[in-house]
Amino acid sequence: EAGVAQSPRYKIIEKRQSVAFWCNPISGHATLYWYQQILGQGPKLLIQFQNNGVVDDSQLPKDRFSAERLKGVDSTLKIQPAKLEDSAVYLCASSLDSQNTDTQYFGPGTRLTVL
Amino acid sequence: GQNIDQPTEMTATEGAIVQINCTYQTSGFNGLFWYQQHAGEAPTFLSYNVLDGLEEKGRFSSFLSRSKGYSYLLLKELQMKDSASYLCAVRDQGRGSTLGRLYFGRGTQLTVWP
Repeated sequence: EAGVAQSPRYKIIEKRQSVAFWCNPISGHATLYWYQQILGQGPKLLIQFQNNGVVDDSQLPKDRFSAERLKGVDSTLKIQPAKLEDSAVYLCASSLDSQNTDTQYFGPGTRLTVL
Repeated sequence: GQNIDQPTEMTATEGAIVQINCTYQTSGFNGLFWYQQHAGEAPTFLSYNVLDGLEEKGRFSSFLSRSKGYSYLLLKELQMKDSASYLCAVRDQGRGSTLGRLYFGRGTQLTVWP
């Protein structure tokens, strides 16, 4: 079974530029998550989708971050304009959304450096 | 929100046993997860506890006490490849049809020496 795919793996931009990340979840997983992991910290949830609807975006800085999941499969996360403090690894995860463990499986992440 | 606390660093030698503790304060609880994260890689799922007690999975075991807001991950017969960050994550109560949000601790960096 293929895992969660993300691209690009690395991105370097200057502040005030825009950037977009792409995620393809595990086939059949209804729930998709975007996390931000700053160096030395645990992942922090930015947004959660169930199918193509937003379930939780309370920690998404909506003035500069946006995300969409058209057709309930792939998702993109965009930052516009980027700030220095956005330097982090952006992790995408997906889960089957069962009523049991509902384990989240993570992709390899995109490491963003904002100069 | 949640407050999750775990030690920043631990060291141990090959073949030994190590216990990584995690304490949490929650406004609602719907399960506790342990993830392993090697440097530069994605977190990978290790264990899940929602009821009190010990869950054993090969060399790894995880314990939960909900009344104490406490969990530990026990790693036996340590190997060099176990050197990684171990993340404790607590899921809160969801709303409607959702199961709740995961809150991660900062992670415990474990170094295994030969």
